[in-house]
Amino acid sequence: EAEVAQSPRYKITEKSQAVAFWCDPISGHATLYWYRQILGQGPELLVQFQDESVVDDSQLPKDRFSAERLKGVDSTLKIQPAELGDSAMYLCASSPGTSSHNEQFFGPGTRLTVL
Amino acid sequence: QKEVEQNSGPLSVPEGAIASLNCTYSDRGSQSFFWYRQYSGKSPELIMFIYSNGDKEDGRFTAQLNKASQYVSLLIRDSQPSDSATYLCAVISDSGYSTLTFGKGTMLLVSP
Repeated sequence: EAEVAQSPRYKITEKSQAVAFWCDPISGHATLYWYRQILGQGPELLVQFQDESVVDDSQLPKDRFSAERLKGVDSTLKIQPAELGDSAMYLCASSPGTSSHNEQFFGPGTRLTVL
Repeated sequence: QKEVEQNSGPLSVPEGAIASLNCTYSDRGSQSFFWYRQYSGKSPELIMFIYSNGDKEDGRFTAQLNKASQYVSLLIRDSQPSDSATYLCAVISDSGYSTLTFGKGTMLLVSP
């Protein structure tokens, strides 16, 4: 069964360091999402790609976060510099398109701890 | 601001009982509604979706949607201890880009 892949699964870093997360969506899925989930909260969208283009990054803290999906397939989310409040689960999801009936499938996530 | 509200719980039910999870949403333009299950430390897993008013059944799960009341629920029949998890309600509004807005989730505890 096709799955969304993410790496690393866990990342511990010190504040002010740079971190990067990688996501490989389900093959053929045009839409890719990065979410952040703080403990006890629901996932919140950081950025959404349609192929290689960003269609929604309104909640992305652009002073420290960046995301790219250069070839419209896999994607990287970067944080520089990391802050204590960035400790969270970072989830990647993909869907076939942007129809409101398209289900989103989540990867296993990257658990980030900032010390 | 689009909001999705859920009771955080925990909702405790005995094994074999029916668990009822509720969700309300603020955006009347919302079109699609999803229930995800999330075990502790794991990522969300889609278990049900519903687009039209009424009930939709899938095995032990039934999703109910009432757009007039802006209310969606999930019923789990014959609850099992393995159903113990956090259930996330998620809504897509008519935004054009199918952005999911999640509630904070309801923790369900099924006791043997």
